[in-house]
Amino acid sequence: GENVEQHPSTLSVQEGDSAVIKCTYSDSASNYFPWYKQELGKRPQLIIDIRSNVGEKKDQRIAVTLNKTAKHFSLHITETQPEDSAVYFCADLNQGGSQGNLIFGKGTKLSVKP
Amino acid sequence: KAGVTQTPRYLIKTRGQQVTLSCSPISGHRSVSWYQQTPGQGLQFLFEYFSETQRNKGNFPGRFSGRQFSNSRSEMNVSTLELGDSALYLCASREGVDGFTQYFGPGTRLTVL
Repeated sequence: GENVEQHPSTLSVQEGDSAVIKCTYSDSASNYFPWYKQELGKRPQLIIDIRSNVGEKKDQRIAVTLNKTAKHFSLHITETQPEDSAVYFCADLNQGGSQGNLIFGKGTKLSVKP
Repeated sequence: KAGVTQTPRYLIKTRGQQVTLSCSPISGHRSVSWYQQTPGQGLQFLFEYFSETQRNKGNFPGRFSGRQFSNSRSEMNVSTLELGDSALYLCASREGVDGFTQYFGPGTRLTVL
């Protein structure tokens, strides 16, 4: 079945530095790639997503890039702040396929040190 | 619009009991998916309901079941609870099976003793 691998599992950066989290997927039919942020004790919150017909998307300090040929996508956070500390999950979806559910990576715990 | 809501937020049960969790989707959303979140396995898909029908199911035993009502609210049931069922159960809603974005509820924390 579909598999999403996420790296690294933990990431520690200094405030103001950039953070990059990478995911690879196996289903070439996947066409939707969201990123969720989950703070301790809270629900996963969608922070950015990208569809397979787009190579890059930005929203202020957050960007996502997609390489369909290599089957990987990445989350980039610039000018990190302490409030960016959380667990980040990537996921993919084969929208329109027989399995329309999100497949998640294992998560990356990001710590931003002031 | 109000977000996805789940009740109860916390539950403590003992092995062998059964439990029912409830999820109310965002108004107008007709698709509800359920996920189990554990430290070891991460977020795993349980099942999705749309228009009162189960659309697809993850790799979980038959003790896990669900249903959806005509108002799109959904329930999931776990029978004969095991210690390993302790987890955060999250539901997520989207407008329809053609919709991409899923919005999560706060989850129900189930502890099995």
